[in-house]
Amino acid sequence: DVKVTQSSRYLVKRTGEKVFLECVQDMDHENMFWYRQDPGLGLRLIYFSYDVKMKEKGDIPEGYSVSREKKERFSLILESASTNQTSMYLCASSLGSSNQPQHFGDGTRLSIL
Amino acid sequence: GQQVMQIPQYQHVQEGEDFTTYCNSSTTLSNIQWYKQRPGGHPVFLIQLVKSGEVKKQKRLTFQFGEAKKNSSLHITATQTTDVGTYFCAPDRGSTLGRLYFGRGTQLTVWP
Repeated sequence: DVKVTQSSRYLVKRTGEKVFLECVQDMDHENMFWYRQDPGLGLRLIYFSYDVKMKEKGDIPEGYSVSREKKERFSLILESASTNQTSMYLCASSLGSSNQPQHFGDGTRLSIL
Repeated sequence: GQQVMQIPQYQHVQEGEDFTTYCNSSTTLSNIQWYKQRPGGHPVFLIQLVKSGEVKKQKRLTFQFGEAKKNSSLHITATQTTDVGTYFCAPDRGSTLGRLYFGRGTQLTVWP
């Protein structure tokens, strides 16, 4: 069974802090994704990685960056956290082709004060 | 970018009633996936539709892909309280890289 693990279930940070959200998958998946989920807005793609060190912007990349130094790990970075980045963040992974299901972690509920 | 409209946004039903959620696109879709997210949980893959007019069933759930591949639906027969959650359609974004576009979802509440 695919396991996608996000480092924190809940996180509280202050405005202006640099925040790291970590995600690890154990199925050797090529693709990894970061989404944020807000009520009524569904899942919005922030960044996507299709290989080590490769990344593409999603629909809402502003204020975020990512890092994929190893295949199993995909990090989301908030360079200078702001209150409008308070949200649920979901990491997902999938095999590296189209028509593949995405497997999600349990999410990190991030609050920026 | 690709946009999909998922309706309704909310649905409240009595246990035993049927439920349908619809996903509509202005462009032709190559394929579409459906996910379910239980309250407090994460999205879980249900099924994928690829062919025009395709119909797939999972117990009380019936998934359809339109003939023109511009719309899809999920129908639940005789809902149960275990069906509670948000259902998302997620068309492929049309690349070979496996990115999906998630609709806003339909939140289903089932009254016992």
